[in-house]
Amino acid sequence: SQTIHQWPATLVQPVGSPLSLECTVEGTSNPNLYWYRQAAGRGLQLLFYSVGIGQISSEVPQNLSASRPQDRQFILSSKKLLLSDSGFYLCAWSVDRVSAKNIQYFGAGTRLSVL
Amino acid sequence: GQSLEQPSEVTAVEGAIVQINCTYQTSGFYGLSWYQQHDGGAPTFLSYNALDGLEETGRFSSFLSRSDSYGYLLLQELQMKDSASYFCAVRDRGFQKLVFGTGTRLLVSP
Repeated sequence: SQTIHQWPATLVQPVGSPLSLECTVEGTSNPNLYWYRQAAGRGLQLLFYSVGIGQISSEVPQNLSASRPQDRQFILSSKKLLLSDSGFYLCAWSVDRVSAKNIQYFGAGTRLSVL
Repeated sequence: GQSLEQPSEVTAVEGAIVQINCTYQTSGFYGLSWYQQHDGGAPTFLSYNALDGLEETGRFSSFLSRSDSYGYLLLQELQMKDSASYFCAVRDRGFQKLVFGTGTRLLVSP
């Protein structure tokens, strides 16, 4: 069966510090991978998605970047965190490229607080 | 582009029936999905409608009217554990990503 691992679960970082969040998927190959951010009590904002190794699409210009060094690994990074980067970061995967369902399966999330 | 609107909050009591609405504006339509997210948790897929009508999955049903660009999620026999946020979503034209609605927070009281 497929599983998605996302870590760390919580993170407290000072303003100006770097960030690296990692997400890995097991049990499937060549998945679409996604990074979302969710502010408290708000909706899901798509940050990046990837359809293959080294292929990254950015949805929102910002202080963050993403990389996909391996088929089932997706990394979210920042060189210098801002207060506004605080939020709940969710990684997701999907292999449903043909049908319109595109069921996405989410990791447990990382709650980032930038102080 | 796509946009989806939902009520921000809905309240109901245990055992009741509640309907969560979603209206959408899309350039091309490829079906409407629903996800549930408990506080602090990850969103999970609930249902999907590609055609008009009602899809039933246990206590949950989802309805779609493509002519009205409208859908809803119907929750029956509400339980306390149904307290969560519910998101509708549509697939983009490229089929590679979803666009999520603003989310509806459902509060179920005893």
